[in-house]
Amino acid sequence: NAGVTQTPKFQVLKTGQSMTLQCAQDMNHEYMSWYRQDPGMGLRLIHYSVGAGITDQGEVPNGYNVSRSTTEDFPLRLLSAAPSQTSVYFCASSYSRRASEQYFGPGTRLTVT
Amino acid sequence: AQSVAQPEDQVNVAEGNPLTVKCTYSVSGNPYLFWYVQYPNRGLQFLLKYITGDNLVKGSYGFEAEFNKSQTSFHLKKPSALVSDSALYFCAVRYHGSGNTGKLIFGQGTTLQVKP
Repeated sequence: NAGVTQTPKFQVLKTGQSMTLQCAQDMNHEYMSWYRQDPGMGLRLIHYSVGAGITDQGEVPNGYNVSRSTTEDFPLRLLSAAPSQTSVYFCASSYSRRASEQYFGPGTRLTVT
Repeated sequence: AQSVAQPEDQVNVAEGNPLTVKCTYSVSGNPYLFWYVQYPNRGLQFLLKYITGDNLVKGSYGFEAEFNKSQTSFHLKKPSALVSDSALYFCAVRYHGSGNTGKLIFGQGTTLQVKP
């Protein structure tokens, strides 16, 4: 049971480039989400999904797209990278949306130059 | 607006002493409250949660937290700190009004430093 996995661990992009951050979980969780972590700001929700084929925006969705074609995978796409997207990105999953704790992946450290 | 506050950026304690990391929240309705710990260059790990019932919740690694509805607080405690407890601690809340999002609202985090 690998839990929540994320790739890559580190990435450097140039402004304007696009890329996809991968996230997968093997716990059959219905709920998955993406957060970004910035110093002094805690974690902020980017996008979330309540099941395969269902996604919605969080509090900071601009510049990011997601899709959920399977229960296991929830990739995050940066459409045109900007320096403001330099951050650490965490994927998380949980059994339900309410009372269940979320399990976090190890994170992707992204730098946009 | 819904919010979580961790009033201390850093808490310093000596090994063997009790520790408290403070958290207060402001949400509408009944909250679900969580504590997570983050070690350097790692993801967040779940410590404990309060959903309903007994106000004193026990979690991993000897940590516990007390839910106080009147003071809207959920402070994290441990009777005897270890050097290995040094890490970044996050309080988070999910509330009934969050609808489908399941969104966790995080505090800014508190760095716990335990000195030998």
